[in-house]
Amino acid sequence: TQLLEQSPQFLSIQEGENLTVYCNSSSVFSSLQWYRQEPGEGPVLLVTVVTGGEVKKLKRLTFQFGDARKDSSLHITAAQPGDTGLYLCAGLMNRDDKIIFGKGTRLHILP
Amino acid sequence: ETGVTQSPTHLIKTRGQQVTLRCSSQSGHNTVSWYQQALGQGPQFIFQYYREEENGRGNFPPRFSGLQFPNYSSELNVNALELDDSALYLCASSLGWDRNSYEQYFGPGTRLTVT
Repeated sequence: TQLLEQSPQFLSIQEGENLTVYCNSSSVFSSLQWYRQEPGEGPVLLVTVVTGGEVKKLKRLTFQFGDARKDSSLHITAAQPGDTGLYLCAGLMNRDDKIIFGKGTRLHILP
Repeated sequence: ETGVTQSPTHLIKTRGQQVTLRCSSQSGHNTVSWYQQALGQGPQFIFQYYREEENGRGNFPPRFSGLQFPNYSSELNVNALELDDSALYLCASSLGWDRNSYEQYFGPGTRLTVT
């Protein structure tokens, strides 16, 4: 059973378009993180969200944590080829402080 | 560059063999976590070490074991390798473990292929 479901699995869009990817669960998380991973490299942390309803912005990236702390979204405005990569969400389990990763959304931005 | 290094980069082993993967954490980081990332999957938590003691474990059998050393390096050992152990193995170091701010720095990983 996948505790964190990410959608879509794959997304290919033109440079300049906007997009949103999702991370959903039936479990409650203490906090949630988003990472980007490029081929041949480890994941790189983008943001940590802690409070239900929290919104964080990182340049063209907007992250939101659901009110019930069960889901999150990542919105990218005016996507650029440099945004290409695997976007992973990871939740810190409330009960045992273990981190659970989703399978990721593979994003490809066409120039 | 995260300052976390792993060796070797790639490794090919035969089923039934044993393997040791190495990680060098960022200086001063007293916590290291190991993850297995199969093709097309997200990383799966194997275990975490804090100040040289195991501090949590995921759903992996005992043939996956680890060590952490005082010089911020650590090892992941896997005995009796199985074909399904083929994956990218990632280590991540962090300064402590605060549930509000558990910033992990990942290494580039070791790609293990079991034939």
